[in-house]
Amino acid sequence: QSALTQPASVSGSPGQSITISCTGTSSDVGGYNFVSWYQQHPGKAPTLMIYDVNNRPSGVSNRFSGSKSGNTASLTISGLQAEDEADYYCSSYTSSRSYVFGTGTRVTVL
Amino acid sequence: QVPLQESGPGLVKPSGTLSLTCAVSGDSISITNWLSWVRQPPGRGLEWIAEIHHSGSTNYSPSLKSRVTISVDKSKNQFSLNLSSVTAADTAVYYCARQKGYYMDVWGKGTTVTVSS
Repeated sequence: QSALTQPASVSGSPGQSITISCTGTSSDVGGYNFVSWYQQHPGKAPTLMIYDVNNRPSGVSNRFSGSKSGNTASLTISGLQAEDEADYYCSSYTSSRSYVFGTGTRVTVL
Repeated sequence: QVPLQESGPGLVKPSGTLSLTCAVSGDSISITNWLSWVRQPPGRGLEWIAEIHHSGSTNYSPSLKSRVTISVDKSKNQFSLNLSSVTAADTAVYYCARQKGYYMDVWGKGTTVTVSS
């Protein structure tokens, strides 16, 4: 199972919006609405930001939103803030009854 | 919340077996439902290893399936991970995480395992 493809880095200025893509195949992202996104600050455990493509857990800012088209899922962060600077990983359920993570994206707030 | 805490030897010799436990505190293990193991090599991304239901049902990563065994001990409120025939490539931070539906909503803080002689 190959890792889902994400851009290595994305940057934006405070207040701007950025979008992180997550590309898989019809056996994972394209085949199920079970894409989730995780934020990870250095030295910390990941935290859930989006689940089932576009659902936010309680406590997660509505500046975070998710979507999916075909084999590509996306995470959008609007109104970028300094605290959003972190690594972001997508994950998808797969036809092998397993999960696969994305390669990870480093978000930098300029 | 269902606090999770990983524990185990921080150093394992090559060709040996890595053994970790994930303790569930604050709630019955049955409420945890499914639990996943995830690892992250130094400076690299996340890799899903396996998941287990409190009933004992399991699913494994195809790439690690031949070396991984996971189990649950309800009497101790804990899950276990065994990874055999380890090499330096298995050096990583290992996390356990509650699997709710098809996502991981609660994570442990992780435990670092180094494979070295």
